[in-house]
Amino acid sequence: EAQVTQNPRYLITVTGKKLTVTCSQNMNHEYMSWYRQDPGLGLRQIYYSMNVEVTDKGDVPEGYKVSRKEKRNFPLILESPSPNQTSLYFCASSGWSGTYEQYFGPGTRLTVT
Amino acid sequence: DAKTTQPPSMDCAEGRAANLPCNHSTISGNEYVYWYRQIHSQGPQYIIHGLKNNETNEMASLIITEDRKSSTLILPHATLRDTAVYYCIVRGVGGAQKLVFGQGTRLTINP
Repeated sequence: EAQVTQNPRYLITVTGKKLTVTCSQNMNHEYMSWYRQDPGLGLRQIYYSMNVEVTDKGDVPEGYKVSRKEKRNFPLILESPSPNQTSLYFCASSGWSGTYEQYFGPGTRLTVT
Repeated sequence: DAKTTQPPSMDCAEGRAANLPCNHSTISGNEYVYWYRQIHSQGPQYIIHGLKNNETNEMASLIITEDRKSSTLILPHATLRDTAVYYCIVRGVGGAQKLVFGQGTRLTINP
């Protein structure tokens, strides 16, 4: 089954404690992206990757890092989380042909206290 | 990417057709209209997209006006599981493929 998986699905952590949210897709997609969703602000892009070793900032990259060492994985790293990073996070992927449909993961709900 | 305007909420009776409008008056010639939906807090789900011709798939139909300044997503026989926020997105194909989500339309299907 074609899918994007994220782990963990729920996480409560404290300010300053480094964390990584993993994202993996099994569709051999080149493009992957991270979004965050906040009430009243909708979904906003954090970082994206056009392919392995190619990443770039989205609209709200501050406080986040990403890496793309393998085509299937695109982890989101919060080196020093702060309460304003409490949010619902989605990973997405798509290929370079067909509908350019983006497949989204199930989401990770992060709370930083 | 062009801005879109959607009504914030709509209601529809179960079994009836749900027609969701979207205005995109500044759309350019090479931009497509995409529709996604988000059920509760799940990841957004692709529904359909089109350039200028009407499109239909197993989920919905997309009607784009001749001047391409507006479109309508049609769910032909709405069910309770179609209750969701529906996003109309206008974007070019290729490139960074960023999706710019607005506030969408919260569609409630009533029994």
